[in-house]
Amino acid sequence: GAVVSQHPSWVICKSGTSVKIECRSLDFQATTMFWYRQFPKQSLMLMATSNEGSKATYEQGVEKDKFLINHASLTLSTLTVTSAHPEDSSFYICSARSRTSGTDTQYFGPGTRLTVL
Amino acid sequence: GEDVEQSLFLSVREGDSSVINCTYTDSSSTYLYWYKQEPGAGLQLLTYIFSNMDMKQDQRLTVLLNKKDKHLSLRIADTQTGDSAIYFCAESPFRSGSARQLTFGSGTQLTVLP
Repeated sequence: GAVVSQHPSWVICKSGTSVKIECRSLDFQATTMFWYRQFPKQSLMLMATSNEGSKATYEQGVEKDKFLINHASLTLSTLTVTSAHPEDSSFYICSARSRTSGTDTQYFGPGTRLTVL
Repeated sequence: GEDVEQSLFLSVREGDSSVINCTYTDSSSTYLYWYKQEPGAGLQLLTYIFSNMDMKQDQRLTVLLNKKDKHLSLRIADTQTGDSAIYFCAESPFRSGSARQLTFGSGTQLTVLP
């Protein structure tokens, strides 16, 4: 149980285009999902907290107009990188918090490798 | 804000025990976690411990928590080559009325030598 998927697993795009990444909780409902960014050989940095049915909460320094987050259902959150630039190339990881979980455990997706040319 | 620190690298021989250490600053941490990340993959939850516990054992994994010193360790017994990965320590500070967020350490690259 508690499986989180991400799609696509990797994407290469041209500079200036937009890319959408999906995060799905496959066997549980998630009122809260988190989006992280990880640079090579570095830790995960929280970008935003996505709550179902409401606006996402962005961490300081993360541009909300550039990284659009939509959490339209209890099993799906999407991150759209708009007008992507090479510096946006990174590994994007989502996690989902189980609604029925008695502990504060996040289940992570496998990540999406974004390369902007 | 919260801060979590780990040493960056650890090498051990196959069959030996590995001990990965972590220190944190937030005294209100309620949950502490260990995650494993293999190359190109997301994070896999290995184990977690509540802040009111001193030790937790799960098969080859032993977690020790020294709350006074804010020190957490993960011991892997009989380390195998498949244990080679990056191990992240994370803490969840309690924030009233909001979803609990994780603060990650920098990760420790464990290399298991044959």
